[in-house]
Amino acid sequence: GAVVSQHPSWVICKSGTSVKIECRSLDFQATTMFWYRQFPKQSLMLMATSNEGSKATYEQGVEKDKFLINHASLTLSTLTVTSAHPEDSSFYICSATNPGHYSNQPQHFGDGTRLSIL
Amino acid sequence: AQKVTQAQTEISVVEKEDVTLDCVYETRDTTYYLFWYKQPPSGELVFLIRRNSFDEQNEISGRYSWNFQKSTSSFNFTITASQVVDSAVYFCALSEAGEGNNRLAFGKGNQVVVIP
Repeated sequence: GAVVSQHPSWVICKSGTSVKIECRSLDFQATTMFWYRQFPKQSLMLMATSNEGSKATYEQGVEKDKFLINHASLTLSTLTVTSAHPEDSSFYICSATNPGHYSNQPQHFGDGTRLSIL
Repeated sequence: AQKVTQAQTEISVVEKEDVTLDCVYETRDTTYYLFWYKQPPSGELVFLIRRNSFDEQNEISGRYSWNFQKSTSSFNFTITASQVVDSAVYFCALSEAGEGNNRLAFGKGNQVVVIP
């Protein structure tokens, strides 16, 4: 159980394009989803925390207008990279959890999206 | 201040050797959870273990074992008789109950290279 599907797994697009990444919890309700960014040979950097039905909480230094996060349902969160540029190229990973239901539920991770902006 | 420290950046071992990955954490919470994840070259994060702060028992799962010592704030991970398929980046992570949303703080990761 606890499967998280992330789509697409790989995106290559031109500079200036907006790219949407979906994160779905397939068999549980995810009240909280996290979005991470990972550069090569580095750790996961938390970008934002999204709670279903409310605005996402962004980490310091992450541009809200650049990385739009929507968590409209208990099973879906989306990250839109607006007007992407080459410096936005990275590996983006989402995770989902339901901290309200059980006190110590772990995060379940998607397989990640490799974004390459030309 | 970094909450999770994984000091060894890259570790190379010859196949069948044992390898131990160190993880030192920092928290003021009395209730917290520690995790290890494996990230193979394909990129996905594979959950290996979760340990809560009240359970200091060591654990063994196949060739994997974990040593949790609250006295030294460490949660070390050992791979016994390493295999080429163990080549990956391994992340230690901490979740503090006080955060309330299961937020994870990751260490920088250990790149393990198993040489055949």
